[in-house]
Amino acid sequence: AIQLTQSPSSLSASVGDTVTITCRASQDIGSGLAWYQQTPGKAPKFLLYHASSFKTGVPARFSGSGSGTDFTLSISSLQPEDFATYYCQHFHSYPIIFGQGTRLEIK
Amino acid sequence: EVQLLESGGGLVQPGGSLRLSCAASGFTFGTYAMTWVRQAPGKGLEWVSDINSSGGSAYYTDSVKGRFTLSRDNSRNTLHLQMNNLTAEDTAVYYCVKQTHYGEFDPWGQGTLVTVSS
Repeated sequence: AIQLTQSPSSLSASVGDTVTITCRASQDIGSGLAWYQQTPGKAPKFLLYHASSFKTGVPARFSGSGSGTDFTLSISSLQPEDFATYYCQHFHSYPIIFGQGTRLEIK
Repeated sequence: EVQLLESGGGLVQPGGSLRLSCAASGFTFGTYAMTWVRQAPGKGLEWVSDINSSGGSAYYTDSVKGRFTLSRDNSRNTLHLQMNNLTAEDTAVYYCVKQTHYGEFDPWGQGTLVTVSS
C-alpha cells in the first residue's frame, strides 16, 4: 500500500505568518493528491485537488504544489480560521490513505 | 445543495452489529461513487470503504474486510454500511462522503458516532 508521510505533525504560527506542510508518498502517485482541513468537532473540508487546484471558494492564500512523491500545502497570511488540522490524501490506488495530519496551532 | 445525513450509530457490545445509513440529497446520487471514512477519538482519518456508482464494486480497508459490507440503493438515494463482529478498534465517528468524478472526497456528512464497548 502507498503510504503518506506528513510533516510536521504539529506547527505553531501567528496570524499573518506563512506556513508550509509537506506530504511525501512512498511511491509515485502523479498528481493524485488532495488536501483537507478539519476544525475541532467538525467534518473535514476538501481544499485542493490534483495537488494544486483549488476547490471553488477556497481562499487564494492557500496553494498546493507537487507531483510524483513530494507535495506541499502552503498557507500565506494566516487568518484565525485557518488554525486547524490538515490532511493529505491519495486516491491513486486502493487502499486509499490519508496522511497522519498536521495540527496548525496559534502561537 | 448537497446533503449527506448519516444515521444508525450508537453503543454496541463487542461482537455486535450495526447498520449505518446515509441519506443523500442535492445531487444525482446514482452517478457518483460514495465512501465511508472514520475517525477514532483523537486520531486521524481512516478510509473504510468505497462503492462505485452502480453498486457493482466495493472496496474495503484490510481491517474491516469480511466484517463490513457496503451497499447502496440508488432508487432511494441511500448508502448502507453493515458492520458485523465489531471490536473496540471500530469505535469512531463514521463519515459518509461523496466522491468527485476525479476521486476526491467532497462533501462530507456530519458523521455518526459508533462506540463499541461492554
